[in-house]
Amino acid sequence: DGGITQSPKYLFRKEGQNVTLSCEQNLNHDAMYWYRQDPGQGLRLIYYSQIVNDFQKGDIAEGYSVSREKKESFPLTVTSAQKNPTAFYLCASSIDARLAEDEQFFGPGTRLTVL
Amino acid sequence: QQPVQSPQAVILREGEDAVINCSSSKALYSVHWYRQKHGEAPVFLMILLKGGEQMRHEKISASFNEKKQQSSLYLTASQLSYSGTYFCGTEGGNAGGTSYGKLTFGQGTILTVHP
Repeated sequence: DGGITQSPKYLFRKEGQNVTLSCEQNLNHDAMYWYRQDPGQGLRLIYYSQIVNDFQKGDIAEGYSVSREKKESFPLTVTSAQKNPTAFYLCASSIDARLAEDEQFFGPGTRLTVL
Repeated sequence: QQPVQSPQAVILREGEDAVINCSSSKALYSVHWYRQKHGEAPVFLMILLKGGEQMRHEKISASFNEKKQQSSLYLTASQLSYSGTYFCGTEGGNAGGTSYGKLTFGQGTILTVHP
C-alpha cells in the first residue's frame, strides 16, 4: 500500500535537546511538506521541498531544519532554538507542487511534547 | 496571510445543511478543502481552481468566487461522519498562473453532527 509514514507517533524530549522527526513516502511524489498544528489552530507551514536536494522555508521555519537527500524521505529536526516546540507535527506530500490542482496527502502525525 | 474561516464552529442534527466560508485578503489561484478528525491527519475533500467549475464530493460541494477571493463549502443533508474540523487552504500564483507551491491554511471550522 502506498502512503506516508511518520515516526514516532508520540515523542517526549527534554528542554534543550534536538530531536528528529521521520517522514517517509512511497507514493513517488516530488513535493513534501512539514506543518505544525497547535490546539484549536490551523496548519502552519514549516518547510517544504518541491524536489529532491531542494527545500524552502515556510512561514515558521525558525528553530527547525530539514534535509531532502532522497525523494522518499524528508526528516525534520526540531532544534533547541525552537522556543515552543510542543505541538502536533504533520508531514505531507504531493505529486508536483507547481500544479494548482495538486492534492496533498498527509501522514498520521507525530505529537511532540517537551518536558 | 492566513485566510479567515467562518463560522468557527457549527452544531447540526443529522440531515441538516451547513455552509463554511473561507475568505482571503490576497488574490487566489486555488482553494483546497480538507477535513480532520480529532487526533488524525487531514483528509483531502476537493480543490477549486481559478476559472474552474463548482466541485462536489458526495453530498459536499464548494464554490470559488475569484472576485471576492472567497470560497464556500456546502454540506447537504449532513451525516454523523461529517463531524470534524474543516480547513481551507489557499494558494496564490504568479502572473503566469503557476502555483507558488504552498498552501496557507485557515484556522478551521469545527463541525459537530448529532443524531
